[in-house]
Amino acid sequence: DQQVKQNSPSLSVQEGRISILNCDYTNSMFDYFLWYKKYPAEGPTFLISISSIKDKNEDGRFTVFLNKSAKHLSLHIVPSQPGDSAVYFCAARAAGNKLTFGGGTRVLVKP
Amino acid sequence: NAGVTQTPKFQVLKTGQSMTLQCAQDMNHNSMYWYRQDPGMGLRLIYYSASEGTTDKGEVPNGYNVSRLNKREFSLRLESAAPSQTSVYFCASSELQVGDGYTFGSGTRLTVV
Repeated sequence: DQQVKQNSPSLSVQEGRISILNCDYTNSMFDYFLWYKKYPAEGPTFLISISSIKDKNEDGRFTVFLNKSAKHLSLHIVPSQPGDSAVYFCAARAAGNKLTFGGGTRVLVKP
Repeated sequence: NAGVTQTPKFQVLKTGQSMTLQCAQDMNHNSMYWYRQDPGMGLRLIYYSASEGTTDKGEVPNGYNVSRLNKREFSLRLESAAPSQTSVYFCASSELQVGDGYTFGSGTRLTVV
C-alpha cells in the first residue's frame, strides 16, 4: 500500500511554460514534505521542502503547495527550462527522519 | 568533494552469489539509509541507521543485511542474490532532525542473472 503516490508518470511541457507536478499521501503523521530531482545515472538531489504547518514555500522558480485537508501537494516550476528535464520524486517524512517516496514523474521540457 | 560515495557503480551477479555494497559519507551525518529504486515504485527503504551502532529495518528488508561500521560507513550485504534483487541501490545520509532531506550517492546498478 503506497503511502505516497504520484499519479502522473510523465509530463511534457514547452520551455517557458509552467510545470505542475502532483503528489498525494495517506499518512496524517507525515510532518515534512520534500521534492527531489533525479537525472539519469545520478542520485536524487534535494530541491525544495515544506513543513506540514505551512501551505506554501517558494525558492526561485520552484514553489511547493500543501493542502493538508486533501492530503495533496504540488510542485510548480515557472518558467520551465530544458535543464529541468528529469525525474521528480515527492517524499514525505515520518518519525525517525525516514522518507517515503512516490513513484516519480518524468518531466520533459521541450525547447 | 564532500558527499556520499558508493562502490561499485555496476555489478552483475549470478543467482545465489553474495556481495556487499559499500557506502561512505564525509559530512559527519548521524543517519544513513539504503534504498532501492525500481521502475514505477520510486525509492523504497531497505534498512537505515539512525546513529552509529544502531540499525533498523525499512519497508523491504528481506534478503538483505547491513552493517554500520563506523559513523562514516554503512554497508549493505546480499547473502544469496535473487533476480528480484535486480535494481538500482542508493545510499543516503542526513542529520537527524533536518528538513533538508538526504544527500544521496550516485547509486549502484545491480543485475542478478
